[in-house]
Amino acid sequence: AQTVTQSQPEMSVQEAETVTLSCTYDTSESDYYLFWYKQPPSRQMILVIRQEAYKQQNATENRFSVNFQKAAKSFSLKISDSQLGDAAMYFCAYRGNTGTASKLTFGTGTRLQVTL
Amino acid sequence: DTEVTQTPKHLVMGMTNKKSLKCEQHMGHRAMYWYKQKAKKPPELMFVYSYEKLSINESVPSRFSPECPNSSLLNLHLHALQPEDSALYLCASSQEREFGGGYTFGSGTRLTVV
Repeated sequence: AQTVTQSQPEMSVQEAETVTLSCTYDTSESDYYLFWYKQPPSRQMILVIRQEAYKQQNATENRFSVNFQKAAKSFSLKISDSQLGDAAMYFCAYRGNTGTASKLTFGTGTRLQVTL
Repeated sequence: DTEVTQTPKHLVMGMTNKKSLKCEQHMGHRAMYWYKQKAKKPPELMFVYSYEKLSINESVPSRFSPECPNSSLLNLHLHALQPEDSALYLCASSQEREFGGGYTFGSGTRLTVV
């Protein structure tokens, strides 16, 4: 079974600074997808960024980028120029590429605080 | 339309009540999901529907009864719940065979059982 681990329960960053959230996972599959979701107090899970395991190039979405290390099974999220609106719970998630409607497995989450 | 709509947003029910949660999407997604999320915890998968058929039940108690009347609608019927069932219930949908697309989530129903 796949597992996703986020070892940082809480992180804090000053506005305009950069922060990196860590995520590791365990899988025996060679083809899969990794995601970072953001859940603000409004409750809705919002997709921040995704990475296909077969792609070596790290995904980037504006201020958000990932460092994907397939051999190390590591998938960290870097947030540059942090903004107050980035404050939220961040979940790393894994989805395999086999079977129908394959399940999304979440890590335990990292709560990000953004300070002035 | 790129949204998953959940109603109601908040629900308070007694342990003897029967209520239903509703989830709707019009993105043509053929997989739909129910998740339960307790405070400060990740979402836990409850049910998966694929092409309107139940494909995964994560050993959920029978007091939760899912239903998928059509490809756009997903219901969760609740009966004889316990206070520990109080949680945020999230619905999500995804493309059936495009696994890289992730899920689209609704904003959830905050359920309180009294």
